[in-house]
Amino acid sequence: EPEVTQTPSHQVTQMGQEVILRCVPISNHLYFYWYRQILGQKVEFLVSFYNNEISEKSEIFDDQFSVERPDGSNFTLKIRSTKLEDSAMYFCASSDKGMNTEAFFGQGTRLTVV
Amino acid sequence: ELKVEQNPLFLSMQEGKNYTIYCNYSTTSDRLYWYRQDPGKSLESLFVLLSNGAVKQEGRLMASLDTKARLSTLHITAAVHDLSATYFCAVDGNNNDMRFGAGTRLTVKP
Repeated sequence: EPEVTQTPSHQVTQMGQEVILRCVPISNHLYFYWYRQILGQKVEFLVSFYNNEISEKSEIFDDQFSVERPDGSNFTLKIRSTKLEDSAMYFCASSDKGMNTEAFFGQGTRLTVV
Repeated sequence: ELKVEQNPLFLSMQEGKNYTIYCNYSTTSDRLYWYRQDPGKSLESLFVLLSNGAVKQEGRLMASLDTKARLSTLHITAAVHDLSATYFCAVDGNNNDMRFGAGTRLTVKP
């Protein structure tokens, strides 16, 4: 069964460093998303991506964040100059928005900023 | 900006009882989802609801959608311990921004 794959599963980084979180969406999907979840709390929307551009971004997604789809398969989230409060679980999701089709989520990357 | 509200946030039930989780959203949408999340895990899709009056059932869970009232419900019938988890509703916004409610943490007690 197709699935969304995220790497790494856990990343520890020092405050101020840059991190890149990687996602491989399901191959025929066209809509991609990043979400953040702090310690099992609410699932916060960061950004959606369609047709090689950002469709929508939240107030959380400031200049510190960027997304790329560099090679037609990977979908990355870059966080520049990480802060302690960026520590969270980051989920990638993809969808084809077909009938009765949900967005599928990856297993997440746990980011710990120390 | 699309707002999604869920209630209750916490729900403690006895096994065998019924209960309903509510999800309200602020703007028109043609797509609503229910997800389940177990502790430390990712989000597992339960239902996709696409039209007014849509009703879907899977086991002890039934979801419905009223697009005019901008309301969806997730009804739990004869709860069992295995249903203990956090349940989220999510709504598609106009700019492909799928937004989540705060989640309902369900605990089913024997």
